[in-house]
Amino acid sequence: DTAVSQTPKYLVTQMGNDKSIKCEQNLGHDTMYWYKQDSKKFLKIMFSYNNKELIINETVPNRFSPKSPDKAHLNLHINSLELGDSAVYFCASSLRWDTQYFGPGTRLTVL
Amino acid sequence: QKEVEQNSGPLSVPEGAIASLNCTYSDRVSQSFFWYRQYSGKSPELIMSIYSNGDKEDGRFTAQLNKASQYVSLLIRDSQPSDSATYLCAVNKVEYGNKLVFGAGTILRVKS
Repeated sequence: DTAVSQTPKYLVTQMGNDKSIKCEQNLGHDTMYWYKQDSKKFLKIMFSYNNKELIINETVPNRFSPKSPDKAHLNLHINSLELGDSAVYFCASSLRWDTQYFGPGTRLTVL
Repeated sequence: QKEVEQNSGPLSVPEGAIASLNCTYSDRVSQSFFWYRQYSGKSPELIMSIYSNGDKEDGRFTAQLNKASQYVSLLIRDSQPSDSATYLCAVNKVEYGNKLVFGAGTILRVKS
């Protein structure tokens, strides 16, 4: 059973398009996160939700909008994609403030 | 100053040797520390967590924490080629909603 899953695994799109990445966890966790890993492999948090409530909102362009329909799902919608958005996006989850477990990642390429 | 600093490497060790990975952090109030391993093209995988000063051992891995020096290390004994990966040090800032702050990672290469 996959603990934290993301779709799609790869996403190739043109500049200016709008795209979404979906994340689901079946671990019974109550907190979910989005991280971005850039080309230099630096991993940085973007957002986190606890029980569907936004907890962390780092300095991220407002073109990025997370949505958590329930505790098990956290989606990321990106408007007006730019070249600099190309990266690997990881979803993670945890039980309250405990250890975070990562999904397999979504590699986004903006052309 | 970066919040979490690691030597980017690569750190090359022969098979069977001890690999020593180091990490320093700037925020004295940090309470939880993690080591994640990331293979190329894969997601970070937790290998060790440590919360108290001293050593914590798990199989071939030992994490060491010194809060006074703001220093965390990971020792890998009997290194294997399969240990070749990037090792990410992470510090948890609970006061900011369980925010994990990562270092840039150290590339480890174990040569057979």
